Amino acid sequence: DAGITQSPRHKVTETGTPVTLRCHQTENHRYMYWYRQDPGHGLRLIHYSYGVKDTDKGEVSDGYSVSRSKTEDFLLTLESATSSQTSVYFCAISDRDGNYGYTFGSGTRLTVV
Amino acid sequence: GENVEQHPSTLSVQEGDSAVIKCTYSDSASNYFPWYKQELGKGPQLIIDIRSNVGEKKDQRIAVTLNKTAKHFSLHITETQPEDSAVYFCAASTMGAQKLVFGQGTRLTINP
Repeated sequence: DAGITQSPRHKVTETGTPVTLRCHQTENHRYMYWYRQDPGHGLRLIHYSYGVKDTDKGEVSDGYSVSRSKTEDFLLTLESATSSQTSVYFCAISDRDGNYGYTFGSGTRLTVV
Repeated sequence: GENVEQHPSTLSVQEGDSAVIKCTYSDSASNYFPWYKQELGKGPQLIIDIRSNVGEKKDQRIAVTLNKTAKHFSLHITETQPEDSAVYFCAASTMGAQKLVFGQGTRLTINP
């Protein structure tokens, strides 16, 4: 998907455990985003980054944290996973903010049991 | 903040017929309206977009129309084919907003 890779692609984890999802890009794009996709809710923004060490919250940020120490990597951490965080997580990148198109990764399907 | 509503949530059409998906937005300052197509097991892909200085844009069998007064925009797919079956998302953004706000998605099924 145009130089954007998410890992892992699938993960099953237990309630209460920390989980980290990784988004890696080779496009040198400034903006990176984490969305979750749930039936009936579409794509909801969790956190985004507008540069190294520059991040901001989205509409559903509770229970999630992010880090961006390098341009190419954007990490999403579920500090203590809950069943409500079972979802498909998508990373997206953009070179010129949300007023231009995104490129999405292939997604990570996370199941919290 | 911006809110985007998308209808219908599911749409089934016969192959060869047209399909229309509609979205409304709340922020009159929004000026960028992309549409994404998501095939099964994949991430969404941008298929067409429109800016507020244009009323309509076409790309082969797909077109997007924008009504700024009514704050709604629509995706039109003509001569539908089985490969058009997917989930479609609309989105909206304001200059400088740094992020897109998405609609809830429409699952389009093309029946042979």
